[in-house]
Amino acid sequence: KAGVTQTPRYLIKTRGQQVTLSCSPISGHRSVSWYQQTPGQGLQFLFEYFSETQRNKGNFPGRFSGRQFSNSRSEMNVSTLELGDSALYLCASSLRYQGGRQETQYFGPGTRLLVL
Amino acid sequence: AQKVTQAQTEISVVEKEDVTLDCVYETRDTTYYLFWYKQPPSGELVFLIRRNSFDEQNEISGRYSWNFQKSTSSFNFTITASQVVDSAVYFCALIQGAQKLVFGQGTRLTINP
Repeated sequence: KAGVTQTPRYLIKTRGQQVTLSCSPISGHRSVSWYQQTPGQGLQFLFEYFSETQRNKGNFPGRFSGRQFSNSRSEMNVSTLELGDSALYLCASSLRYQGGRQETQYFGPGTRLLVL
Repeated sequence: AQKVTQAQTEISVVEKEDVTLDCVYETRDTTYYLFWYKQPPSGELVFLIRRNSFDEQNEISGRYSWNFQKSTSSFNFTITASQVVDSAVYFCALIQGAQKLVFGQGTRLTINP
């Protein structure tokens, strides 16, 4: 079974621009979560999508948004980029929380975003 | 609030040594899940193990073993006879309720030949 895929793998943008990152989950997984990893803050939860709806959201400004399509693929968008948005953005997919059982999240290779 | 602490920022050992990575967590809930992930230089987080709060049985998988102790809120990870390929950053994580992993700061493990 193919793993989680993320595109692009690397991205360079300038301040003020916007960026869209894409994530394709493992086949059959309907939940997609996004995380930001920086040297200073570590791994932080951005949001989770399930059945095309945002279910959970972390403490990030409204510049960070996302969506999920009917095939469970997800995109996240960052508008008005700031230098501090430079990070590794990781996407994870899972079968999601079902009947009290917390499913494992499997991660993609990430997108490295550099904001200049 | 949930919190995961990995007090060891960096560990460096010589190949074939045993090494233990510590993880201490905080949560108010009685139902939760603990995870360990490995992050090699490529960046992808590789799932290693999951434990739920009702299962304190220790687990061994090859050279890897995990010790879960609710009494001390710890979920430690031991690598026996370490190898250079074990070099990576290892993260302990906690999840409870919402689909949101809370990660520790990670431990950078370097295995020297």
